[in-house]
Amino acid sequence: DIEMTQSPSSLSASVGDRVTITCRASQDIRRELGWYQQKPGKAPQRLIYSASTLHSGVPSRFSGSGSGTEFTLTISSLQPEDLATYYCLQHYRDPWTFGQGTKVEIK
Amino acid sequence: QDQLVESGGGVVQPGRSLRLSCAASGFTFRSYAMHWVRQAPGKGLEWVALVSYDGSKNFHAHSVRGRFTISRDNSKNTLHLQMNSLRPEDTAVYYCARERGHYGLDVWGQGTTVIVSS
Repeated sequence: DIEMTQSPSSLSASVGDRVTITCRASQDIRRELGWYQQKPGKAPQRLIYSASTLHSGVPSRFSGSGSGTEFTLTISSLQPEDLATYYCLQHYRDPWTFGQGTKVEIK
Repeated sequence: QDQLVESGGGVVQPGRSLRLSCAASGFTFRSYAMHWVRQAPGKGLEWVALVSYDGSKNFHAHSVRGRFTISRDNSKNTLHLQMNSLRPEDTAVYYCARERGHYGLDVWGQGTTVIVSS
């Protein structure tokens, strides 16, 4: 199975800060990776697919990059509504696998 | 509006069975592969199973293989998860989600809660 290692597990940042979350795959997954946002008490929602394409309606402060084994989710200017846990998900090979999640808190 | 609504969750004793359902509306259900994802209390997301658009292929996570079975009824626009030999560690919110091929899971339900406890 492909293991997804996500870091950090949590972070605290101020409004306006730039935030970066990293996901590393245990093998080459090309660009078969998405990022998902889960707000407290809610179902997950897709933010980004194919490593870097924004889902419709997602604010442009979110961006994704990477390919192969290293991927990054960046929030260019953190907003209060970005309080959530973020997960990467690889779908290059079955079984699909999530990263452990990154909980983003606002200072 | 594309929508998924899960049902069938509840409290069940260890070793017993439960069947979850996911009703789809607003899109052509038979055209999409479908997935189940779960989240134990206070934990991260865990992928559980997938079924192809026509039901001919399925794949289950190691943690549920041999106990859970994903299936679908395209005539009723419904996805199912048959869960047998339930264990306390299966306690979780179970989400169904629609797959968009290389584009991941683009529509999610609101989840249904399963509690396995004596």
